[in-house]
Amino acid sequence: LAKTTQPISMDSYEGQEVNITCSHNNIATNDYITWYQQFPSQGPRFIIQGYKTKVTNEVASLFIPADRKSSTLSLPRVSLSDTAVYYCLVGFFTGGFKTIFGAGTRLFVKA
Amino acid sequence: NAGVTQTPKFQVLKTGQSMTLQCAQDMNHNSMYWYRQDPGMGLRLIYYSASEGTTDKGEVPNGYNVSRLNKREFSLRLESAAPSQTSVYFCASSGPQGGNQPQHFGDGTRLSIL
Repeated sequence: LAKTTQPISMDSYEGQEVNITCSHNNIATNDYITWYQQFPSQGPRFIIQGYKTKVTNEVASLFIPADRKSSTLSLPRVSLSDTAVYYCLVGFFTGGFKTIFGAGTRLFVKA
Repeated sequence: NAGVTQTPKFQVLKTGQSMTLQCAQDMNHNSMYWYRQDPGMGLRLIYYSASEGTTDKGEVPNGYNVSRLNKREFSLRLESAAPSQTSVYFCASSGPQGGNQPQHFGDGTRLSIL
């Protein structure tokens, strides 16, 4: 299983773009990179997933360099409601895969 | 569209009591998972079921048992609850094997063991 490293916490202000970087030096060829968001008292929620280059959806963008040893989750123009914990996972998530969530990155968005 | 439903939402037990946490999904997913989350920490995998009829241990299985009752339901049982099992328990499910499918989570069961 690829180990991931993310910042423990980040602060931002409303309207700013937030970039959270995850390091995964021993990522395997078949591994995907997946990000989840968790609000207090709720289960994690899938945000975005990618394999290489750039992926964008209505919520976020995911940037993955050519060597795939890191990835960056980009949240455009954050609001107070984006305050949450963000988890980076690396692996090939077929059924029954032993996923490992680290401590994640706690994002605080201020007014 | 309910997704993943967990019951109960809250429970208080005394040390030594037994308890079964229920989980059901309506997305026709093959794989289901049980995690625990302690304050300020990430999720730790307790058990998972890759498909109906199979279960396997995760990172922290001691003190727990599971049953994959059918494709929809996956229960977690504490036979003799201990204070160290006080935690929030999340159930999750994911799509067909062979695909790289993200997990869908329930809203958790908050369990306190006195």
